[in-house]
This record gives sequence, C-alpha cells and structure tokens, in this order.
Amino acid sequence: EAGVAQSPRYKIIEKRQSVAFWCNPISGHATLYWYQQILGQGPKLLIQFQNNGVVDDSQLPKDRFSAERLKGVDSTLKIQPAKLEDSAVYLCASSLGTGVRVNTIYFGEGSWLTVV
Amino acid sequence: GESVGLHLPTLSVQEGDNSIINCAYSNSASDYFIWYKQESGKGPQFIIDIRSNMDKRQGQRVTVLLNKTVKHLSLQIAATQPGDSAVYFCAELTSGTYKYIFGTGTRLKVLA
Repeated sequence: EAGVAQSPRYKIIEKRQSVAFWCNPISGHATLYWYQQILGQGPKLLIQFQNNGVVDDSQLPKDRFSAERLKGVDSTLKIQPAKLEDSAVYLCASSLGTGVRVNTIYFGEGSWLTVV
Repeated sequence: GESVGLHLPTLSVQEGDNSIINCAYSNSASDYFIWYKQESGKGPQFIIDIRSNMDKRQGQRVTVLLNKTVKHLSLQIAATQPGDSAVYFCAELTSGTYKYIFGTGTRLKVLA
C-alpha cells in the first residue's frame, strides 16, 4: 500500500517569497493533517481536514499560511510571504477518520523548507 | 538549526543492551497512545500503539507500558541495534477528538 506522498522534499526560498507544498494521503483516508516540525521539537498541528472540510485550523497563521483540500483527496499548503521562522519540516499525515474510534495517523517524509 | 536538536533529551545505550524511553503525557482523558520513530531526514514512522484499557503491549523487540495513574508511557527496545538510532516521540489522543498531542521527543544513540 502506498504511503503518504509529499512534494517537493526540499525547498530553499528567500524571505517574503511564496512556497507551496503538495500532499497525497493514503488511499481511503478521510482525515488529512498538516504539521509543522521545527528541528528538535515534536510536530505541531497546523490544520486538519475531514474530507474537504476544515476540522481544526486554530494554530494556522492565517495571515500567511493557507491550505486547501478541494476534492477531499490531495491537499496543498501555501506560505506567502515566508518569514525566517517558517524554516521547518512540513509534515503531511492521514488517517481513516470518520467512524473510527481511534485514528492511527501515518506521516509522509516531509517537505523541508529553508527560508534565507 | 542543529543547536536546537542538541537540546533534545538524549539516551545513549550500548549495542545489544535494552533501551527504555519515557514519556509523560498531559491529558488524563487521553485513551490512545502511539510511539513514533523519526530517523534523520525522514517523517515519523509508527512503531507501536496502546489503548488505555491495557497497561502493556508487545511488538517485535518493542514493548509499550502505560501507567495511567501517573500519566506515564514508556517504550522498551530489546537488544538495541544501530538502526534503532533515531528520535522517538510519544503521541496521545482523546478518542473522538482526532487531535494528537506530541511529546518533545527523545534522541536514542546506539553506541557500537
């Protein structure tokens, strides 16, 4: 079974530029997550989708970050304009979601962003 | 960059010894727990999970222990190998919320 796919794996941009990350979850997984992981820390949830609806975006810096999952499958996370402190790994994850009591989440390999 | 990673708690063990990694979780209502392994340059990888109606669960070379009284979770790795070198995270979930809370992680170094 294919895992969570992410691209690009690595990106270096200058501050104030924009960047977009793409994620394709595990087939059949209704719930999709975007996490930000600063080096040396645990993942921090940015946004969570259930199908194509947003469940939780309370920690998403909405002045510069946006995310969409228009057809309830793959998703895009955008940062515009980027700041130096956005340098991190952006992890996409997915889980079965609806109707499941516990949801094991599976992560992609991450998109590594460096803002210079 | 790298200096932040050096602040992670680090456990150094000799190859072949057993490792015990600990995690204090935050929410007494959490009822599902996962241990993840994250190797350098990769995403977190699922290792083993446990539900709150259990206090122990065993996998291949790994055992997770749950003590709900003191909100403590541990991961035991038997006969630690060089390939076990990674950062290990615990995650807790309250069923129905779909919101995971991750610990800060522990770096495991296996010495040859």
